[in-house]
Amino acid sequence: AAGVIQSPRHLIKEKRETATLKCYPIPRHDTVYWYQQGPGQDPQFLISFYEKMQSDKGSIPDRFSAQQFSDYHSELNMSSLELGDSALYFCASSRRDRGFGTQYFGPGTRLLVL
Amino acid sequence: AQKITQTQPGMFVQEKEAVTLDCTYDTSDPSYGLFWYKQPSSGEMIFLIYQGSYDQQNATEGRYSLNFQKARKSANLVISASQLGDSAMYFCAMRDSGAGSYQLTFGKGTKLSVIP
Repeated sequence: AAGVIQSPRHLIKEKRETATLKCYPIPRHDTVYWYQQGPGQDPQFLISFYEKMQSDKGSIPDRFSAQQFSDYHSELNMSSLELGDSALYFCASSRRDRGFGTQYFGPGTRLLVL
Repeated sequence: AQKITQTQPGMFVQEKEAVTLDCTYDTSDPSYGLFWYKQPSSGEMIFLIYQGSYDQQNATEGRYSLNFQKARKSANLVISASQLGDSAMYFCAMRDSGAGSYQLTFGKGTKLSVIP
């Protein structure tokens, strides 16, 4: 079965640089979510999109923005990177009408800010 | 306020034995879903099992079952016949339908180690 695809899998950036993370949800899933997981932490919700419209916003810094495109893929744009942004970034997708919206996660993008 | 509590930071289990990972939750919403995810050391987040608040029976998926006690607000994960590959971090998560939100709130996780 198709899974959520994330790219790149690993990313190394310098402070104050920008980064763009990409996510391709499972086909026919209508909702995409972004989560941030710091070292030794639980995942924290950042933002979500339902049918290409932003639906929920969590603890996403103002330096971050995200969007979902017409082909349903989503991108998380991160600017003015800080050391504390080093984390594992997950994209997840779901169908809201199935299993109380069970979210399936991609493999994650591991971002290291130096 | 913390919505999901996992009180066991780490657990050990002998291979082929059963193990229960605890999870308690807090919500005033009558409609909610509880989820368990497995995170191996490689980092991916793998969905294991789901229980809806209105489901009459406890959820089961292969060797995984969810011991759902609604009155006690607990949703413990039971893994039967543990295997070495079960060694991982396990997260309990909840989605309630308050304010139309679909985001998951996670517990701090339990690190399970399976001993040969």
